[in-house]
Amino acid sequence: EAGVAQSPRYKIIEKRQSVAFWCNPISGHATLYWYQQILGQGPKLLIQFQNNGVVDDSQLPKDRFSAERLKGVDSTLKIQPAKLEDSAVYLCASSSPGQGRETQYFGPGTRLLVL
Amino acid sequence: SQQGEEDPQALSIQEGENATMNCSYKTSINNLQWYRQNSGRGLVHLILIRSNEREKHSGRLRVTLDTSKKSSSLLITASRAADTASYFCAYNFGNEKLTFGTGTRLTIIP
Repeated sequence: EAGVAQSPRYKIIEKRQSVAFWCNPISGHATLYWYQQILGQGPKLLIQFQNNGVVDDSQLPKDRFSAERLKGVDSTLKIQPAKLEDSAVYLCASSSPGQGRETQYFGPGTRLLVL
Repeated sequence: SQQGEEDPQALSIQEGENATMNCSYKTSINNLQWYRQNSGRGLVHLILIRSNEREKHSGRLRVTLDTSKKSSSLLITASRAADTASYFCAYNFGNEKLTFGTGTRLTIIP
């Protein structure tokens, strides 16, 4: 079974530029999550999708961050414009419906550096 | 902040020794999970313990949960070099949303 795929793995941009991250969850996983992990901290949930609907985006900075999940499969997370404090690893995770849904499967992450 | 606290922040032990790390949280929970993160990579689920359980084992891992103290501990026995990683507790309290702790960075010295 293929795991959660993310791209790119690394990205360096200047502040005020835009950037987008892509995630492909495990096949059949209805729930998809985007996390932000700042160096030395635990991941913080940005947004949770159930199929293609948003379940929780309470911690998403909506003035600059946006996310979508077309057709309930792949998802993209965009930052526009980026700030220095957005430097972090962006992790995508997915979980299956039903029993075992509490366990999340993580991708390798995208490491973003904003200069 | 609802984020859990873990201690110690960093731990170095000799290979073969046992490693214990602790997690404290602030709310009532449904379950608590432990994840491992190797340097520069995503997180891997290790074990889940439900709020009505007190102890759980998986291979060399032993997890305890004390809901009265709002705390959990993860014990790794007979440590190996491959156990070098950061370990995070994570919990939820009503839906699938996870709140992660601050993490313990474990180094196994060969």
